[in-house]
Amino acid sequence: DIQMTQSPSSVSASVGDRVTITCRASQGFSGYLAWYQQKPGKAPKLLIYAASSLQSAVPSRFTGSGSGTDFTLTINRLQPEDFATYYCQQSNTFPLTFGGGTRVEIK
Amino acid sequence: EVQLVESGGGLVQPGGSLRLSCAASAFPFNMYSMTWVRQAPGKGLEWVSYISSRSGTTFYADSVKGRFTISRDDAKKSLYLQMNSLRVEDTAVYYCVRLNPHGAGDVWGQGTTVAVSS
Repeated sequence: DIQMTQSPSSVSASVGDRVTITCRASQGFSGYLAWYQQKPGKAPKLLIYAASSLQSAVPSRFTGSGSGTDFTLTINRLQPEDFATYYCQQSNTFPLTFGGGTRVEIK
Repeated sequence: EVQLVESGGGLVQPGGSLRLSCAASAFPFNMYSMTWVRQAPGKGLEWVSYISSRSGTTFYADSVKGRFTISRDDAKKSLYLQMNSLRVEDTAVYYCVRLNPHGAGDVWGQGTTVAVSS
């Protein structure tokens, strides 16, 4: 199984900041990495797929990068609606696996 | 509007069974692989099961293998999850999720809550 280790588990930031979240895979792969945003009581929302492709209607301040074992989600110019929990997920092999989540909190 | 709507959750005793359903609308359901993802209270996301389009190839998380069965009825545009021998640790919100060709969940249902307790 591919284990996905996300860091940090939480981060405090202010509106306008840049936030970087990292996901490290226990085995290397290319492309099959997604990032989701989840707000309390709501279903997750796809932000990035194929490691760096922006999902339709998602603001361009969200960017994804990486390959192999290290993947990154960057949120530029943090907005009030971006305070949420973020998850990475690999779909390279079964079982599909998620990172443990990163909570982005207001400083 | 592209939509997934789950139903069938509820309170069940340990060892009991439930069948979750997911109704799809406004997209060609038969062309998409589908998956179930769950989230225990206050916890992260956990993948449960997958079914491919066309061939209906299935995969399961080790935690549910042998107890849960995923199926689909393309004519009814519906996805199912039969859950048997339920355990307290199966308590979670269960989401029905459409996968895009890159294996990412691009459409999620609102979730249905399963509570296993005596």
